[in-house]
Amino acid sequence: DAKTTQPPSMDCAEGRAANLPCNHSTISGNEYVYWYRQIHSQGPQYIIHGLKNNETNEMASLIITEDRKSSTLILPHATLRDTAVYYCIVREAGGGADGLTFGKGTHLIIQP
Amino acid sequence: KAGVTQTPRYLIKTRGQQVTLSCSPISGHRSVSWYQQTPGQGLQFLFEYFSETQRNKGNFPGRFSGRQFSNSRSEMNVSTLELGDSALYLCASSPLGQSTPNYEQYFGPGTRLTVT
Repeated sequence: DAKTTQPPSMDCAEGRAANLPCNHSTISGNEYVYWYRQIHSQGPQYIIHGLKNNETNEMASLIITEDRKSSTLILPHATLRDTAVYYCIVREAGGGADGLTFGKGTHLIIQP
Repeated sequence: KAGVTQTPRYLIKTRGQQVTLSCSPISGHRSVSWYQQTPGQGLQFLFEYFSETQRNKGNFPGRFSGRQFSNSRSEMNVSTLELGDSALYLCASSPLGQSTPNYEQYFGPGTRLTVT
């Protein structure tokens, strides 16, 4: 069973903010939300993670709803190089025998 | 710091052969995980090594194995190759083990294996 649901694809204009949604309605209290992205022909790249508070780093911001059932990854000023598949992953703290479970992700296409 | 390196980048093998792929983690990282990526199944976890011990294993047959050396470098081996083993094999290193909350993984560029 998929733990997360993401739209298969999204477009965004260059220079605008890209907002990528993720639904994780069955998330449990000790599960973190991670975001990775994979640019074509490269390995996945870690972006950001959070538990319940909003987080921001040099790449992106992560907004998690108060009930933690969904989150949004925000790329504030998208560039063409942000075109990639973005994966939202939930993972429990303190263990888990299956590594990171990647779903199908969202293919974000930045339009010039 | 140098990133995760994987060798070789591309490999072509024949059914029935075996193959060994190599991964050098980021300096100081003790955890190394391996993933298989195919168009049909996406990214799937193979196994994780920490301090030379396999700690976690995904749902793959015994033909897939690995090991980690004292310098944290890791190798994975696939024996009796099948056509379905054609995939991008990704290695990822982490400064912490999987059993910690902040589990950031840093991926290498992958080895593209083609089995003919």
